[in-house]
Amino acid sequence: QQPVQSPQAVILREGEDAVINCSSSKALYSVHWYRQKHGEAPVFLMILLKGGEQKGHEKISASFNEKKQQSSLYLTASQLSYSGTYFCGTVSSASKIIFGSGTRLSIRP
Amino acid sequence: EAEVAQSPRYKITEKSQAVAFWCDPISGHATLYWYRQILGQGPELLVQFQDESVVDDSQLPKDRFSAERLKGVDSTLKIQPAELGDSAMYLCASSSGLAGEVDTQYFGPGTRLTVL
Repeated sequence: QQPVQSPQAVILREGEDAVINCSSSKALYSVHWYRQKHGEAPVFLMILLKGGEQKGHEKISASFNEKKQQSSLYLTASQLSYSGTYFCGTVSSASKIIFGSGTRLSIRP
Repeated sequence: EAEVAQSPRYKITEKSQAVAFWCDPISGHATLYWYRQILGQGPELLVQFQDESVVDDSQLPKDRFSAERLKGVDSTLKIQPAELGDSAMYLCASSSGLAGEVDTQYFGPGTRLTVL
């Protein structure tokens, strides 16, 4: 079952914050976040494992609520380089990543 | 920094022709994945290898697609015959995870296939 991402697209001005949500109908072992720029390969951002942890990577952080089967990606003080499509990938009992349809983030100067 | 290599980067073919894509994973990575990504969507797993063995090919259209990883290192994905609906980006990824684990996957640059 493909996870649902929201919003589908968001436009920010440089310096603004954004939250991207990912929800699943299945119990999850882990959530993986990737960013893909147009015409390029997805680039790994972070993994969140079962346990409700929160992780950070510079000004990008994420949380994982296993009870709600949801994860959120937080982008703080967005930079132009943050533009791209963000994908969450969920891992449940099938032991493989199923990717959402993505959230397109555009940052304006 | 080690990277996943793929070739060709772009391929244009006519329907009913055969095409093949090549992937060389990061050295030492036992797990190799082939994904198909249609424009505007997330990657969809086609086949997963653990060393030279197929772990999951449940989404691989086996009537026209085949994949191999004979020596457990590089891999080839073939489509024969290609159909218009096969136009997509084909991504290869690798990870160091053991069988049954889902570890960080590192993606190659992909092959953009256009079927005319």
